[in-house]
Amino acid sequence: DMQMTQSPASLSASVGDSVTFTCRASRDIRNDLAWYQQKAGKAPSLLIYDASTLQSGAPSRFSGSGSGTYFTFTISGLQPEDVATYYCQNYDDAPLTFGGGTKVEI
Amino acid sequence: DVHLVESGGALIQPGGSLRLSCATSGFTFNTYTMGWVRQAPGKGLEWVSDIWTGGSRTYYADSVKGRFIVSRDTSGNTLYLQMNSLRAEDTAIYYCARAGSKSWYDFWGQGTLVTVSS
Repeated sequence: DMQMTQSPASLSASVGDSVTFTCRASRDIRNDLAWYQQKAGKAPSLLIYDASTLQSGAPSRFSGSGSGTYFTFTISGLQPEDVATYYCQNYDDAPLTFGGGTKVEI
Repeated sequence: DVHLVESGGALIQPGGSLRLSCATSGFTFNTYTMGWVRQAPGKGLEWVSDIWTGGSRTYYADSVKGRFIVSRDTSGNTLYLQMNSLRAEDTAIYYCARAGSKSWYDFWGQGTLVTVSS
């Protein structure tokens, strides 16, 4: 079965910090990876697709990189409104799979 | 503006059936793959199902295969999820979502809660 492993499960940082967390795929998914932000009580929203393409309207402080099995997501200059859980998702083939999430706190 | 609005969530007994709907507007529904994603209380996201344009292909998570059926009504711009033989572990918020040119989800509904309990 496909596995998407995110780490760490949670992190705490200060406003203005740069934070980076990772997503590992159990097989090569090329760059077929998306990142989502989910704030408490809300639906997820798309931030990054194709591993590094910023979704229209998403703040430029969010970025993604990687290919194959290893991917990273960076927030450059953490803001209070970035408190949320972030999920990666593969879409190279069914079944699509989400990672377990990284919870970001201030 | 793109809008997705789910409905049909309810409290249902184990073994029961339920049909969720997702009313869409603001885009050409029949040109997009659509999907369902769920989230159990306090847990992460779980992909449930995708349906291609025109209903040409459907895909399911192993956890729901054989019990859930995804469909779409192009004339009504509505996505459906028929859920049969419901189990306690199906308890979750169910989101419908529009897929981009590949199956990333660029627009999501607000979700509808399904609770399976006796």
